[in-house]
Amino acid sequence: NAGVTQTPKFRVLKTGQSMTLLCAQDMNHEYMYWYRQDPGMGLRLIHYSVGEGTTAKGEVPDGYNVSRLKKQNFLLGLESAAPSQTSVYFCASSPHIRLYNEQFFGPGTRLTVL
Amino acid sequence: AQSVTQLGSHVSVSEGALVLLRCNYSSSVPPYLFWYVQYPNQGLQLLLKYTSAATLVKGINGFEAEFKKSETSFHLTKPSAHMSDAAEYFCAVTAKNEKLTFGTGTRLTIIP
Repeated sequence: NAGVTQTPKFRVLKTGQSMTLLCAQDMNHEYMYWYRQDPGMGLRLIHYSVGEGTTAKGEVPDGYNVSRLKKQNFLLGLESAAPSQTSVYFCASSPHIRLYNEQFFGPGTRLTVL
Repeated sequence: AQSVTQLGSHVSVSEGALVLLRCNYSSSVPPYLFWYVQYPNQGLQLLLKYTSAATLVKGINGFEAEFKKSETSFHLTKPSAHMSDAAEYFCAVTAKNEKLTFGTGTRLTIIP
């Protein structure tokens, strides 16, 4: 049981380049989330999904797109990277429905945009 | 709307001393509250959560937190700090159909 895994762990991009971050979970969770973590700002929700084939915007969605074609995978795309997207990105998942269900986090992807 | 305020972005305590990390929340409906810990270069993991069953919640690694509605607080404590407690701690709140909202975090340093 690997939990939540993220690929890649580190990446350096040039401004304007594109990339996709992959999140996978093996816990059969319905809900999946993408966050970014910046110093002094905590975690901010980018996009989330409440089930296969569904996605929704979070607090800071601009510049990002997501897809959930399979229940176990949640992809985060940057079409044209900008230096403001330099951050640590975390994926998380949680079981269906209950608000008090904890979220399980992946180890993060450190992205630098030059 | 909901929000969380963590007082003190950095806290230092001596090994063996009391750990107190402060969290105040704002919510228009009864909240669910969480404390997560993040060790260096790792993701977040749950320490404990308040789900209205009991106001004093015990978590992993000897941590506990008390929900005080009158003070809108959910402070995290540990009686005796250990070197392995050095990490960043996040308080988070969710209520009704809203998403999980995180505080800005408190970095805990343990002084030998």
